[in-house]
Amino acid sequence: GENVEQHPSTLSVQEGDSAVIKCTYSDSASNYFPWYKQELGKGPQLIIDIRSNVGEKKDQRIAVTLNKTAKHFSLHITETQPEDSAVYFCGTGFQKLVFGTGTRLLVSP
Amino acid sequence: DSGVTQTPKHLITATGQRVTLRCSPRSGDLSVYWYQQSLDQGLQFLIHYYNGEERAKGNILERFSAQQFPDLHSELNLSSLELGDSALYFCASSVAGTGDYGYTFGSGTRLTVV
Repeated sequence: GENVEQHPSTLSVQEGDSAVIKCTYSDSASNYFPWYKQELGKGPQLIIDIRSNVGEKKDQRIAVTLNKTAKHFSLHITETQPEDSAVYFCGTGFQKLVFGTGTRLLVSP
Repeated sequence: DSGVTQTPKHLITATGQRVTLRCSPRSGDLSVYWYQQSLDQGLQFLIHYYNGEERAKGNILERFSAQQFPDLHSELNLSSLELGDSALYFCASSVAGTGDYGYTFGSGTRLTVV
């Protein structure tokens, strides 16, 4: 079945720095790649997604890039703020979404 | 508020017991997905229902079962509970019968088995 590997597991940055989280998937048929943010005590929330016919998508300070040949996609957060601190999950799949193991992002003021 | 309602928020029970977790999907969504999140673990897919029918099963134990009712709410039943079943259980809903339109997650039920 589909497998997703996510790196790094933890990421600490200073406020204002950029953060990059990368995921690698196994199923070349995958065509949908969402990113979810999970704050403490809450359920995951969709923050951005991309489909395989697009190489990059931006929404203000966040962007996702997709390299279908290499089967990896990345989340980029620019000008990080303390409120960006959370666990981020990448996912992919068709019938159901399979998620990476998560990246704990800590943004220090 | 995501629109997906999960009850109860917290549940503490003893080993060997049975519990039922409830999920009401977002209005208009026909799919309900259940996931388990253990401590420091990712989101493990359990089961998917679409408009009352089971569509896919993941790593769901035989002690666990689920169903989706005509009003589209879903229940996840966990029986003969073990300490290792302690986890966050999330449901997510989607308008489509597949996962490639994204999910909306509920806030989860935290199950503690003592």
